[in-house]
Amino acid sequence: DAGVTQSPTHLIKTRGQQVTLRCSPKSGHDTVSWYQQALGQGPQFIFQYYEEEERQRGNFPDRFSGHQFPNYSSELNVNALLLGDSALYLCASSLGQQETQYFGPGTRLLVL
Amino acid sequence: EDQVTQSPEALRLQEGESSSLNCSYTVSGLRGLFWYRQDPGKGPEFLFTLYSAGEEKEKERLKATLTKKESFLHITAPKPEDSATYLCAVLNGANSKLTFGKGITLSVRP
Repeated sequence: DAGVTQSPTHLIKTRGQQVTLRCSPKSGHDTVSWYQQALGQGPQFIFQYYEEEERQRGNFPDRFSGHQFPNYSSELNVNALLLGDSALYLCASSLGQQETQYFGPGTRLLVL
Repeated sequence: EDQVTQSPEALRLQEGESSSLNCSYTVSGLRGLFWYRQDPGKGPEFLFTLYSAGEEKEKERLKATLTKKESFLHITAPKPEDSATYLCAVLNGANSKLTFGKGITLSVRP
């Protein structure tokens, strides 16, 4: 049973660029949530996708956007990258919006 | 706004020395409280879900408990491989948002 997978594992970008991160949920799961984790902090909720729509959003600017595909996989897009966007980006999946979330290994983004 | 506070920030134990990690929370409409373990540079690994005050769950050397304001993660006779950061999170039943604490970094010396 494959768990949550994310790609790429690491990424280096420069300020002003755009980035796309990808996530495949655990088999059987239909809901995907994205989190940003800065060093030494807990994960911060970015948004959640269910039935291909953004259902909930945290306190992140519009530069952060996403998408969910019919096969439940998801993408996180960040435009106009800032140095402060450097973090570990985590994807989590669940069966439904209010059930236990299982996390992927994360994508480490470094903005120079 | 939902809040989760974990204490202490860091804990150093000798192998076999039992202890407890604390998670205090405020949330409007608790749907569930979750404990995760996170190793450096990796994603959080699910440990427990607790749904109501008085509930307890156990897994190997770990036991999680829940009250109306706090949760505790008890570690009995820890081993060096238990060294990790332990994260607590609450799920708001009204808006489906999961709010995390900053985590507790546990180090177990052999």
